[in-house]
Amino acid sequence: NAGVTQTPKFRVLKTGQSMTLLCAQDMNHEYMYWYRQDPGMGLRLIHYSVGEGTTAKGEVPDGYNVSRLKKQNFLLGLESAAPSQTSVYFCASQGSGGGYEQYFGPGTRLTVT
Amino acid sequence: AQRVTQPEKLLSVFKGAPVELKCNYSYSGSPELFWYVQYSRQRLQLLLRHISRESIKGFTADLNKGETSFHLKKPFAQEEDSAMYYCALYAGNNRKLIWGLGTSLAVNP
Repeated sequence: NAGVTQTPKFRVLKTGQSMTLLCAQDMNHEYMYWYRQDPGMGLRLIHYSVGEGTTAKGEVPDGYNVSRLKKQNFLLGLESAAPSQTSVYFCASQGSGGGYEQYFGPGTRLTVT
Repeated sequence: AQRVTQPEKLLSVFKGAPVELKCNYSYSGSPELFWYVQYSRQRLQLLLRHISRESIKGFTADLNKGETSFHLKKPFAQEEDSAMYYCALYAGNNRKLIWGLGTSLAVNP
């Protein structure tokens, strides 16, 4: 099992460009999450999904959109990148059967110039 | 309000010294608490959860409901313990974890 994978690993964007980050999990988990990690700010939840076809806003959703068309995939989109979106992005998944452990991907390091 | 507080941003100890990373929470119900660890430039991984009452890599954590704390302890720190440690609270009904800001542990030789 690969667990949770993220593509790409690194990306540099210019202000105003768009991109999509892909998260994939092979554990048949119901719940998936996108976080951003910034120095001194900890992990902040951007968006999350409690099942295929459903998404919800986290604490810092502005400037991001998400889609969960397939259970195993959770996409994070930046329509018009801004320097404030320079961050490390982590995807996580969690099963619905209790335990509540979140499994994380390796992260995507995004720089917006 | 549901909240997790890790009062120390940075904790520096010498190898072999005891270490305690503090975590306090605010939650009116019955909490599920976790410690996650992130080694340099790696993904976060679960270290401990309070319900299992286990010891992982020599670390233990006890839930103290009276003090609303879940401090992480290790009697003898090792250099390989240097990492970022996050405390997290699962409040149950919204399927989200509430995260502390993390404590960076540096174990010096």
